[in-house]
Amino acid sequence: KAGVTQTPRYLIKTRGQQVTLSCSPISGHRSVSWYQQTPGQGLQFLFEYFSETQRNKGNFPGRFSGRQFSNSRSEMNVSTLELGDSALYLCASSATGGRTEAFFGQGTRLTVV
Amino acid sequence: GNSVTQMEGPVTLSEEAFLTINCTYTATGYPSLFWYVQYPGEGLQLLLKATKADDKGSNKGFEATYRKETTSFHLEKGSVQVSDSAVYFCALIPRETSGSRLTFGEGTQLTVNP
Repeated sequence: KAGVTQTPRYLIKTRGQQVTLSCSPISGHRSVSWYQQTPGQGLQFLFEYFSETQRNKGNFPGRFSGRQFSNSRSEMNVSTLELGDSALYLCASSATGGRTEAFFGQGTRLTVV
Repeated sequence: GNSVTQMEGPVTLSEEAFLTINCTYTATGYPSLFWYVQYPGEGLQLLLKATKADDKGSNKGFEATYRKETTSFHLEKGSVQVSDSAVYFCALIPRETSGSRLTFGEGTQLTVNP
């Protein structure tokens, strides 16, 4: 069974640009969550999608958005990039959401210059 | 609100030493508790979990017991190996949540020397 796949693995963008990250969950999983990991702030929750609907949202500005498609694949978008957006972005999938275990992808390393 | 506090790192041990990484939490009711591990350059892997008081999660020689009275979920291993070098995260999902939003601790860097 394939794991969670995130693409691309690495990205370098310039301040002010926008970026889209992609996540393909484990087959059959309907919940996808996104996290930002930085040395200073640790792991912070961005949002969770379940059956194409945003179910939870963390405390991030509106520049951060996401969506989920009918095949459960998810994308997150960051507009007007800032230097502070440089981070590892992790996607996690779980079968039904709820309090079941989440399986993480390898992440996308975003560097904003 | 919900929060997780882990012991400060980094932790450096010799091979075959005993490992304890402390984790305490703040949450209402009985959250589900997890330990995740992150190897260099990788995402997070679930190490073990517990969903109710006195549950013991175990995997690959690691153990953690859900202690409601002390709101703790300390990670232990009797004999660490060099391959255990990684960052360990304690996390919770509150009971009242309708989703799978994890709240993480700060992470503890473990280095095991041969």
